[in-house]
Amino acid sequence: AQSVTQLGSHVSVSEGALVLLRCNYSSSVPPYLFWYVQYPNQGLQLLLKYTTGATLVKGINGFEAEFKKSETSFHLTKPSAHMSDAAEYFCAVSEGSNDYKLSFGAGTTVTVRA
Amino acid sequence: EADIYQTPRYLVIGTGKKITLECSQTMGHDKMYWYQQDPGMELHLIHYSYGVNSTEKGDLSSESTVSRIRTEHFPLTLESARPSHTSQYLCASSDVGFTDTQYFGPGTRLTVL
Repeated sequence: AQSVTQLGSHVSVSEGALVLLRCNYSSSVPPYLFWYVQYPNQGLQLLLKYTTGATLVKGINGFEAEFKKSETSFHLTKPSAHMSDAAEYFCAVSEGSNDYKLSFGAGTTVTVRA
Repeated sequence: EADIYQTPRYLVIGTGKKITLECSQTMGHDKMYWYQQDPGMELHLIHYSYGVNSTEKGDLSSESTVSRIRTEHFPLTLESARPSHTSQYLCASSDVGFTDTQYFGPGTRLTVL
């Protein structure tokens, strides 16, 4: 069975500061991992995904995430926050035992202070 | 431009009414999904389809039903709406690969009084 835990339902950062969003997963087999972003009154948009190969994955808008199998983590980072990064972020996992359907975490809301 | 559409965006309706939430995509994707999203909670998969005439129930039990008569169209119906159905409903689609990205519509926010 697969599940996702996002540590911290709300994160507040200053503009220009590091953004770090934590995601841990449990999976019985090597999973595929995703980060999605949701802006107010919109659907989810894919930021990045890990499938195989390089464990450091670069996505859109300057975000990146690193798959650490030993820590069962897939934390999302951005070196310098911008006001436009204010949104809700969801980590998700899929695996073959669940027919590759996505299981989502509860989300982390990011606010950016000027 | 390829996209995924949901209508209506907002719906306020009384208890006992029948409603249909529309979802259409222009990307030719075989897989389509319906998720339920409540504030501060994870998205829960309530229905999915892997092609025309294929529908399955998701991980979260739902009183809604779906149909897939055309590839591009995946409507969700509630025969008798109740206040417990108040939520946001998100539709998504993806291509057939295991790692293919799911593309989401803007959602329908349903309020049942």
